Amino acid sequence: QKEVEQNSGPLSVPEGAIASLNCTYSDRGSQSFFWYRQYSGKSPELIMSIYSNGDKEDGRFTAQLNKASQYVSLLIRDSQPSDSATYLCAVNLKGVYNQGGKLIFGQGTELSVKP
Amino acid sequence: KAGVTQTPRYLIKTRGQQVTLSCSPISGHRSVSWYQQTPGQGLQFLFEYFSETQRNKGNFPGRFSGRQFSNSRSEMNVSTLELGDSALYLCASSSDRTVAKNIQYFGAGTRLSVL
Repeated sequence: QKEVEQNSGPLSVPEGAIASLNCTYSDRGSQSFFWYRQYSGKSPELIMSIYSNGDKEDGRFTAQLNKASQYVSLLIRDSQPSDSATYLCAVNLKGVYNQGGKLIFGQGTELSVKP
Repeated sequence: KAGVTQTPRYLIKTRGQQVTLSCSPISGHRSVSWYQQTPGQGLQFLFEYFSETQRNKGNFPGRFSGRQFSNSRSEMNVSTLELGDSALYLCASSSDRTVAKNIQYFGAGTRLSVL
């Protein structure tokens, strides 16, 4: 089982719709969860971080975390063509000294928003 | 505030050679992490440095090494290059304040092609 798994894409939604991206992780000790957006040929850009169960909203983006189910999701409301990108789920595994750590990424879900 | 700076942006090397990549973190950030991104394996963690010490390490062979200087700038070195080392190498930095939550900001990356 991969440490971080994302629903396979590509995901295509019409402009103005809600895009739903999902991610599961295997390490129950994980404490920090992130969503990055990566445009083709560019580096990942952090769009959301979440640390406790529940929802976290930032503009059109909502991250949801359920530690019991080991599940993280990202909702994008009112999707725009400019949201077309690959979305990467990342989970922080605590390092040896319980500091810092390393981000483990899912394979990414490619989102296409059609005008 | 300047972002994470990686140099060079592009590199072409031949098998058997070695290569050194450089990363300057965001001013004030002391944690620097390195990642390799390939189409097949996705984004994979290489290692993390904090205050000139390697704090965490991924599952890469010993040909991949790194170091960090007193000004937090970091270098990674790949010796005896193989065709499979062709990838986008990404550097990310974290501040002391956010390192516990591992919020990482990525540079633009160095694209390495091994012929």
